[in-house]
Amino acid sequence: EIVLTQSPGTLSLSPGERATLSCRASQSVSSSYLAWYQQKPGQAPRLLIYGASSRATGIPDRFSGSGSGTDFTLTISRLEPEDFAVYYCQQYVSSRLYTFGQGTKLEIK
Amino acid sequence: QVQLQESGPGLVKPSGTLSLTCAVSGGSISSSDWWSWVRQPPGKGLEWIGEIYHGGSTNYNPSLKSRVTISVDKSKDQFSLKLTSVTAADTAVYYCAREWTAAASFDYWGQGTLVTVSS
Repeated sequence: EIVLTQSPGTLSLSPGERATLSCRASQSVSSSYLAWYQQKPGQAPRLLIYGASSRATGIPDRFSGSGSGTDFTLTISRLEPEDFAVYYCQQYVSSRLYTFGQGTKLEIK
Repeated sequence: QVQLQESGPGLVKPSGTLSLTCAVSGGSISSSDWWSWVRQPPGKGLEWIGEIYHGGSTNYNPSLKSRVTISVDKSKDQFSLKLTSVTAADTAVYYCAREWTAAASFDYWGQGTLVTVSS
């Protein structure tokens, strides 16, 4: 089973700053099958990025994804107040199994 | 716009069976290939439970496979989750979600329902 490890566990930044969140896989993952989600308290996760770098419908262009192999990154170029939330990466393997990282909490400094 | 709504008991006794249903609206359940259940223990991360194809094929997380059954009722545009022999560790918010097959991700989610396992 591929394990996704996200870092840091908590990231403290101010609005307007740039956020860089990491997702590392224990084995190589197809870029086509790496996604990122945002979750706010009391809400369901929201799909941000799929295929490692494609923005989902309606997602602002300050959100971007990159990476390949075992190392993937979610970048938020200029933090808005509404961006403070928990972020999860997720991968899929062709044997039909989905796994999530443990999450990174982005909090206001 | 696809909408999903979970329903079911919010309290289940230890060793009992957790049963939830997800109603799909805004489109037929047959309009998408796979539908999933995901859970989240309080204050913790997300765990994929399993999925069902609208035709009835299923796949489960190996860690839960022995206790999980997911079924579909196409006539009602809904799918269901049963989890047997529950313990306090199964206390979680349970989400149903639509899989966007081409992107191997989940693009529509229900609001989630909290199920507590307690006597």
